[in-house]
Amino acid sequence: QSALTQPRSVSGSPGQSVTISCTGTSSDVGGYNYVSWYQQHPGKAPKLIIYDVTKRPSGVPDRFSGSKSGYTASLTISGLQAEDEADYYCCSYAGSLSRVFGGGTKLTVL
Amino acid sequence: QVQLVQSGAEVKKPGASVKVSCKASGYTLTYFYMHWVRQAPGQGPEWMGMINPSGGSSTYAQKFQGRVTMTRDTSTSTVYMDLSSLRSEDTAVYYCARDGTGIAVAGKLDYWGQGTLVTVSS
Repeated sequence: QSALTQPRSVSGSPGQSVTISCTGTSSDVGGYNYVSWYQQHPGKAPKLIIYDVTKRPSGVPDRFSGSKSGYTASLTISGLQAEDEADYYCCSYAGSLSRVFGGGTKLTVL
Repeated sequence: QVQLVQSGAEVKKPGASVKVSCKASGYTLTYFYMHWVRQAPGQGPEWMGMINPSGGSSTYAQKFQGRVTMTRDTSTSTVYMDLSSLRSEDTAVYYCARDGTGIAVAGKLDYWGQGTLVTVSS
């Protein structure tokens, strides 16, 4: 199972919006609506910010939103804030009870 | 509140085995699947497998088949991940993570342990 493809890095200024893509195949992203996104600050465990493609856990600001089209899922962060600077990972169900993660995207807030 | 507390860092020699524990509190262990995810230095997370704490059945990533065993002790609300035949490439932080949906086919790792660093070095 190959890792999902994410851009290595993205950047934006405070208040702007950024979108992070996550591309897979028909066997994972394209085949199921079980894409989740995680935010990870240095030295910390990942934190769930989106699940089931578009749903936000309680406590996650509505500045974070998810979507999917075909084999590509996307995470959009609007109204960028300094504390959003982190690594972001997508994850998809990949059949036979397995999961696959993306390689990660480093978000820099300029 | 839900907490997952993992065992401490380990240093192992190549060829050895390591067993990492994950003690759950704040909820009933048997209601939710537990996953194990590892993250090598500077790399993205890698899914290793999952266990159904209710019946004890496990599903492993093909890459780890034959080398990993996930078990649980419901009396102590603890799950374990045992990885054998360690090599240097297994050096990573190992996390347990709860799937908050209660179903096997999903993707909502809503609580994570603090991570356990396993270093494999001769």
